[in-house]
Amino acid sequence: LAKTTQPISMDSYEGQEVNITCSHNNIATNDYITWYQQFPSQGPRFIIQGYKTKVTNEVASLFIPADRKSSTLSLPRVSLSDTAVYYCLVGDSSSGSARQLTFGSGTQLTVLP
Amino acid sequence: NAGVMQNPRHLVRRRGQEARLRCSPMKGHSHVYWYRQLPEEGLKFMVYLQKENIIDESGMPKERFSAEFPKEGPSILRIQQVVRGDSAAYFCASSPGIGMEETQYFGPGTRLLVL
Repeated sequence: LAKTTQPISMDSYEGQEVNITCSHNNIATNDYITWYQQFPSQGPRFIIQGYKTKVTNEVASLFIPADRKSSTLSLPRVSLSDTAVYYCLVGDSSSGSARQLTFGSGTQLTVLP
Repeated sequence: NAGVMQNPRHLVRRRGQEARLRCSPMKGHSHVYWYRQLPEEGLKFMVYLQKENIIDESGMPKERFSAEFPKEGPSILRIQQVVRGDSAAYFCASSPGIGMEETQYFGPGTRLLVL
């Protein structure tokens, strides 16, 4: 399973755009990149998933360069309620034996007023 | 469409007792996963099940822990003779079981405290 590296923590202010970058140098051909958000005392919540280039949904954008060795989660105009831990995961969910998600320590995002 | 349901949300047990954690997947989902999270850490995979089958239990401790996903009813994670080190949040996730990019959707978790 590919290992991921992301910053331990980040601070931002309300209304700013936040970009969290994740490194995954050993990503395999079949691997997808998925980001989850977790609030204290809650289960992780799916944010976005991608394979290459750019993916956008109503919550965030995910930028993946051509070599796929890193990815950047972009949160536009954050609010206080976006304060949470953000996890970057890499895995091949098409393989029955490799469906387990590997969570690292995540990035603690703190949004300040 | 209800999400993944877990109960109980909080469970207190004394050392040596049994803990039973239940998980009802999202409607239409046939794959269930269990994860454990210790304080200040990320989630750790325990076991992956489909209906009546254990597909991958590589993250499950060899003793005292077992999981099942019967044909009818919720998935059960069972911990026998609990010890203080079992205190953690246990999360269940489910996925449809089809398609390449299988997204796992998580429940709210069960927080187990062993006294």
